[in-house]
This record gives sequence, structure tokens and C-alpha cells, in this order.
Amino acid sequence: DAGVTQSPTHLIKTRGQHVTLRCSPISGHKSVSWYQQVLGQGPQFIFQYYEKEERGRGNFPDRFSARQFPNYSSELNVNALLLGDSALYLCASSFSTTEAFFGQGTRLTVV
Amino acid sequence: DQQVKQNSPSLSVQEGRISILNCDYTNSMFDYFLWYKKYPAEGPTFLISISSIKDKNEDGRFTVFLNKSAKHLSLHIVPSQPGDSAVYFCAARAGGGADGLTFGKGTHLIIQP
Repeated sequence: DAGVTQSPTHLIKTRGQHVTLRCSPISGHKSVSWYQQVLGQGPQFIFQYYEKEERGRGNFPDRFSARQFPNYSSELNVNALLLGDSALYLCASSFSTTEAFFGQGTRLTVV
Repeated sequence: DQQVKQNSPSLSVQEGRISILNCDYTNSMFDYFLWYKKYPAEGPTFLISISSIKDKNEDGRFTVFLNKSAKHLSLHIVPSQPGDSAVYFCAARAGGGADGLTFGKGTHLIIQP
């Protein structure tokens, strides 16, 4: 069974640019969440989507946005990149409101 | 304000012995708790969870204990194996989970041969 897949695995962007990260959930999972993990910290919640609707949003600026498609895949968009946006971005999918299963992440470096 | 705290950044345990990882939380609204294991360059892997209506949950070598009055949970790994060396994250969820999971900073477990 395919797990949560994220693309790309690594990305280097310049300050001020825009980035789009992609996530495909486990088959049958309708909920997708996004997290940011910076070095030395635990993952921090950014967004949760269920059935294509935003269900929750963490404490992140409006430069961060996301959407979920009819096939339940999801995109995370970040505008006007800052150096501080450099992090591992994790996508998680859930069948219910309990366990979340994570992808391998996208390592974003902003230079 | 950290709502989930893992106060030990690292823990070294001899192979075959018990590993005990601790986690404290402050938010009384948390009703579901999870432990994840993370290797470098990989995403977190779900290990075990516990609902706030229980005080213990076991899965093979892994047992999670929850003490609601102390707002404390712990993960026991018995016996510890070399492959258990990783960073372990404690996470908590409130209500229906729309606010996602709140994670601690993690504990790096090192299993010594």
C-alpha cells in the first residue's frame, strides 16, 4: 500500500519567491494536514483540510495557503518566501480524527 | 507557551533494557495522545496512541501510560533494540482535531550495544 507521498523531496528557493508543495494522501483518507518542522523543534500545525474544506488553521501568516482537490490530494503554497521559512514541510493524512500518518516531507531551503 | 513538553532532549539506554520517555502537557482540553518515531530524513512514523478515557495502552514492545491528574504520559519500550534509536515525539489533540496535533520538541533515544 502506498503511504503519504510528497513532492518534491528537496527544494531551494530565493527570498521573495513563491513555492508550491504537493501531497497525495493514503488511499481512502479524506483528511490532509500540513506541518512545518524547523531544526530542533517538533512539527507545528499549519492547516487541516477535510473533504476539500479548511477545517483548521495554525498560527501562520497569510503568506501560507493551501487547498485540497476532489481526489483528496493537497497543495501548500507559500508566497514572498523569507529565510525563516526554511524547514521540513510535512503532510499527514487521516481516515478519522485520531491517528495521522506522515509523508517523508519536503525540505525547503530559502537563500 | 509550550503546551506539550518533552524535558529530556536525549536519553541513552543499554540494549535489552527498558527505555522510558516522558511527556508533560498543560492543556486540559487534550483528549488524545500519540507517540511518533522519527529517523533523519524521514517523516514521523506513528507508534502508539491513547485516549484520555484510558490510562494504559499496549502494542507489542511499546506501552503508553497516561496520568491525567498529573498531565503526564510516558512511553515504555521493552526490551530496547538498536533499531529503536531515533527521535521520539509526543503529540496531543484537542476536541475534534481541527486544530491539528500539538507536538513536543522530541527526545533523541540512543540505544547502546
